[in-house]
Amino acid sequence: DIVITQSPDSLAVSLGERATINCKSSQSVLHSSNNKNYLAWYQQKPGQCPKLLIYWASARESGVPDRFSGSGSGTDFTLTISSLQAEDVAVYYCQQYYSTPGGTFGQGTKLEIK
Amino acid sequence: QVQLVESGGGVVQPGRSLRLSCAASGFTFSSYAMHWVRQAPGKGLEWVALISFDGNNKYYADSVKGRFTISRDDSKNTLYLQMNSLRTEDTAVYYCARDIGDGDYFRHWGQGTLVTVSS
Repeated sequence: DIVITQSPDSLAVSLGERATINCKSSQSVLHSSNNKNYLAWYQQKPGQCPKLLIYWASARESGVPDRFSGSGSGTDFTLTISSLQAEDVAVYYCQQYYSTPGGTFGQGTKLEIK
Repeated sequence: QVQLVESGGGVVQPGRSLRLSCAASGFTFSSYAMHWVRQAPGKGLEWVALISFDGNNKYYADSVKGRFTISRDDSKNTLYLQMNSLRTEDTAVYYCARDIGDGDYFRHWGQGTLVTVSS
């Protein structure tokens, strides 16, 4: 099974500052057939379902503010929020979907305001 | 717009059964594979089960294999999860999610239904 590990577990960032969340996979999620990384990022606010932010490691979902960006390849990935807003307080999850069906999720990173 | 509404959660004793439902609207239900994903209280997300668009193929996480059964009724635009031999570790919010078709990431989720397994 592919294990996904996020770091840090929690993060406090000042408003307007950059927030960076890391996601490491125990094996590569880059598919050689299409050169795509099978990695997604979600945002979950209390009492809500997860919201898709990024898929294919760097493709931003429609309607997601451009301060959110995804990068990385192979086994190491990053979600960056370029200028933290109050509404970005949430738990963020990465998910590999290279191993099907369903893939596996990271343990989550709690993002708070400093 | 795509809408998924789960129901059927509640409190149940260990070893008992429960059936969850997910009513779908806003899209052609019979054209899409569907998933169940769960989240234990204060914990992360765990994929549970997948059913193909035609219902002919079903897949399960090892943690629920042999105890849970996913099914669908296209005439009712409804997805089901029959949960038998429930364990305390099955306590979670259960979400249904629509398949995307080009990878098992999830764009459309329901609001979830809470299942609590406790004596």
